[in-house]
Amino acid sequence: AQSVSQHNHHVILSEAASLELGCNYSYGGTVNLFWYVQYPGQHLQLLLKYFSGDPLVKGIKGFEAEFIKSKFSFNLRKPSVQWSDTAEYFCAVNRRGSQGNLIFGKGTKLSVKP
Amino acid sequence: DAGVIQSPRHEVTEMGQEVTLRCKPISGHNSLFWYRQTMMRGLELLIYFNNNVPIDDSGMPEDRFSAKMPNASFSTLKIQPSEPRDSAVYFCASSRAGGEYEQYFGPGTRLTVT
Repeated sequence: AQSVSQHNHHVILSEAASLELGCNYSYGGTVNLFWYVQYPGQHLQLLLKYFSGDPLVKGIKGFEAEFIKSKFSFNLRKPSVQWSDTAEYFCAVNRRGSQGNLIFGKGTKLSVKP
Repeated sequence: DAGVIQSPRHEVTEMGQEVTLRCKPISGHNSLFWYRQTMMRGLELLIYFNNNVPIDDSGMPEDRFSAKMPNASFSTLKIQPSEPRDSAVYFCASSRAGGEYEQYFGPGTRLTVT
């Protein structure tokens, strides 16, 4: 069965620090990959997605992610975090050609200290 | 567009009572998803529909849970009878059909069963 692993449960950074959140998935076929963000008390919103093409994907608010097929990874990065990036981040995957149901990781909580 | 609409936003009920959660997807979206989010288990897919037809309900925890989608603009998730362990935030999401389309999440219903 497909699964998504997010390595860090809680990450604490100071403002202006660089961020990298790990995401690995287990599925041998072709996949679509997503990162969602959930700000405190709010619903999930899409940060970025990868379907094909350039494996380096740029999303909103300065976030980017790199798909490395050989490593089954889709890590999220941001060169300089802000206090407003404090949120929970979810990696998700579905199978190419599927009907759209996503498998989510358990999430990584990011706390940015001002 | 109003986005995905869920009601109620908060529900507090006593054990044994019936609970009905409601969702209105974004107009034109063919797929609808119900998720449950808890601290312990993270975000879990309960059931999803394509064109009002339930496709996969393997995530529904027990027979106490049921979901319907009588038309393209309305879905319900019912718990009868409710139990304290059902306390969670329940999210509804919708998307266009197909794995390459992002899911748009509603604001969620926070359910507390005492």
